Amino acid sequence: GENVEQHPSTLSVQEGDSAVIKCTYSDSASNYFPWYKQELGKRPQLIIDIRSNVGEKKDQRIAVTLNKTAKHFSLHITETQPEDSAVYFCAASKTGNQFYFGTGTSLTVIP
Amino acid sequence: GAVVSQHPSRVICKSGTSVKIECRSLDFQATTMFWYRQFPKKSLMLMATSNEGSKATYEQGVEKDKFLINHASLTLSTLTVTSAHPEDSSFYICSARVDNVNTEAFFGQGTRLTVV
Repeated sequence: GENVEQHPSTLSVQEGDSAVIKCTYSDSASNYFPWYKQELGKRPQLIIDIRSNVGEKKDQRIAVTLNKTAKHFSLHITETQPEDSAVYFCAASKTGNQFYFGTGTSLTVIP
Repeated sequence: GAVVSQHPSRVICKSGTSVKIECRSLDFQATTMFWYRQFPKKSLMLMATSNEGSKATYEQGVEKDKFLINHASLTLSTLTVTSAHPEDSSFYICSARVDNVNTEAFFGQGTRLTVV
């Protein structure tokens, strides 16, 4: 099966700074890579996703990059705000199949 | 987006009893649903893939006789934790995709199971 690794496990940044979370995957057949944000006790919410035919995608303060050759993808959050504090999960999926999640990154934005 | 509803949100049961958790897709049909388990401050661990009208596919290390999955309709999958023990206490969460072509997964709100 797919193995997704995520780093770092915890990340603290000052408000206004950028945060970067990195993930690697093992199955070259994976072609869909979403990022989820989960607040304590709540369900994961999709914040951005990228498909294997695209190298980069941006949505306001959030961007994701994908390097298929190296099998890694990253989440970039710019101008961080306290409400960005949460646990972030990356995932990898093949078409129509289940998601395999990374181990999560607990992000704390310090006001 | 699509809505996935999970019930109950919290349940406390006695050791040795069974607990059923429901996962419903409210505004779309889901041939396939997924069940995850999440320990505190840990990632979502895929337990099994629930297939409508056929047997579920379990991940390695997950006991199929312990975690019974039934997917009787295109909008409902159930997970039954049989003969629950304290070590089964966890956060269980389901998800579904609207179709099978590169779409996001929508998650239920999760079920906090506590076995006493």
